[in-house]
Amino acid sequence: NAGVTQTPKFRVLKTGQSMTLLCAQDMNHEYMYWYRQDPGMGLRLIHYSVGEGTTAKGEVPDGYNVSRLKKQNFLLGLESAAPSQTSVYFCASSFYSYNEQFFGPGTRLTVL
Amino acid sequence: EDQVTQSPEALRLQEGESSSLNCSYTVSGLRGLFWYRQDPGKGPEFLFTLYSAGEEKEKERLKATLTKKESFLHITAPKPEDSATYLCAVQTQGAQKLVFGQGTRLTINP
Repeated sequence: NAGVTQTPKFRVLKTGQSMTLLCAQDMNHEYMYWYRQDPGMGLRLIHYSVGEGTTAKGEVPDGYNVSRLKKQNFLLGLESAAPSQTSVYFCASSFYSYNEQFFGPGTRLTVL
Repeated sequence: EDQVTQSPEALRLQEGESSSLNCSYTVSGLRGLFWYRQDPGKGPEFLFTLYSAGEEKEKERLKATLTKKESFLHITAPKPEDSATYLCAVQTQGAQKLVFGQGTRLTINP
């Protein structure tokens, strides 16, 4: 099992560009999450999904959109990137909300 | 508002020097408290879940304990490979997500 994988690992964008981060899990988990991690801020939840076709806002959703068309994939989109979105992005998944979350290796995004 | 505070922010120990990391929480009703380990450049790795006050769990040199207001991660006779950032997170009753603390960066010197 690959667990949780994220694509790409690194990306540099210019302000105003768009991109999509892909998260995939092969554990048949219902729940999937997108976090961002910034120095001194800890992990903050952007959006999450409680099952295929569902999405919900987390703590810091502004400037991001998500989609979960297939159970195993969770996409995070930035329509118009801003320097404030420079961060490390982590995807995670779990069977149910009260189970431990399994994290991917992260995507380091820099917006110039 | 649910809050999680970890202390200290950073801790440097000598190999074999035991110590504890603290995670204090203020929540409306605790469903579970989670400990994770994060190595530089990697995603967090799950360690323990604690559900009720008085519960303890152990794994190698680590032991996690829980009270009604805080959790401790005790590390006994640590080795350099235990160096990492340790994250604490809580889930409240009825919530579908975790609230993370800022982490404690632990360094074990040989």
